[in-house]
Amino acid sequence: KAGVTQTPRYLIKTRGQQVTLSCSPISGHRSVSWYQQTPGQGLQFLFEYFSETQRNKGNFPGRFSGRQFSNSRSEMNVSTLELGDSALYLCASSLTGANNEQFFGPGTRLTVL
Amino acid sequence: GNSVTQMEGPVTLSEEAFLTINCTYTATGYPSLFWYVQYPGEGLQLLLKATKADDKGSNKGFEATYRKETTSFHLEKGSVQVSDSAVYFCALSDGAAGNKLTFGGGTRVLVKP
Repeated sequence: KAGVTQTPRYLIKTRGQQVTLSCSPISGHRSVSWYQQTPGQGLQFLFEYFSETQRNKGNFPGRFSGRQFSNSRSEMNVSTLELGDSALYLCASSLTGANNEQFFGPGTRLTVL
Repeated sequence: GNSVTQMEGPVTLSEEAFLTINCTYTATGYPSLFWYVQYPGEGLQLLLKATKADDKGSNKGFEATYRKETTSFHLEKGSVQVSDSAVYFCALSDGAAGNKLTFGGGTRVLVKP
């Protein structure tokens, strides 16, 4: 079974630009979550999508948004990039319900210059 | 809100030494508890989990017991190998919020031959 895939793996952007990251979950998984990982703040939850609906949201500004498609693939978008948005963005998929094991992708490394 | 506190690293050990990483949590209700491991340049992998009090999760020689009375989930391994060098994250999911994970700050472990 293929794992969680994320594209692209690396991105370099400049301040003020916007970026879209993509995540393909494991086949059959309908929940997709996004996390931001930085040296200073650690791993922080961004949001979770389930059946094309946002089920949970973390404490991030509205510049961070996401969506999920009918095939469970998900995208997250960051608009008006700031230097502090430089991070590893991790996507995780899991089965339906709650408290399930989450399977993580390798992440997208975003650098904002 | 929920929170997870784990010991700061780095933890440096010799091969075959005993490893303990402390983890305590604050949560409402009855959370599920997880240990994830992150190898250099990779995403997170689930190491073990426990879903109720007194459960013991185990995998690859690692163990952790869900202690509700002390709100702890300490990770242990009796004899570490160089290949265990990684960053270890303790996390919880409280079920009330889907599959959202709250992570501790991570503990870097370095095992020397």
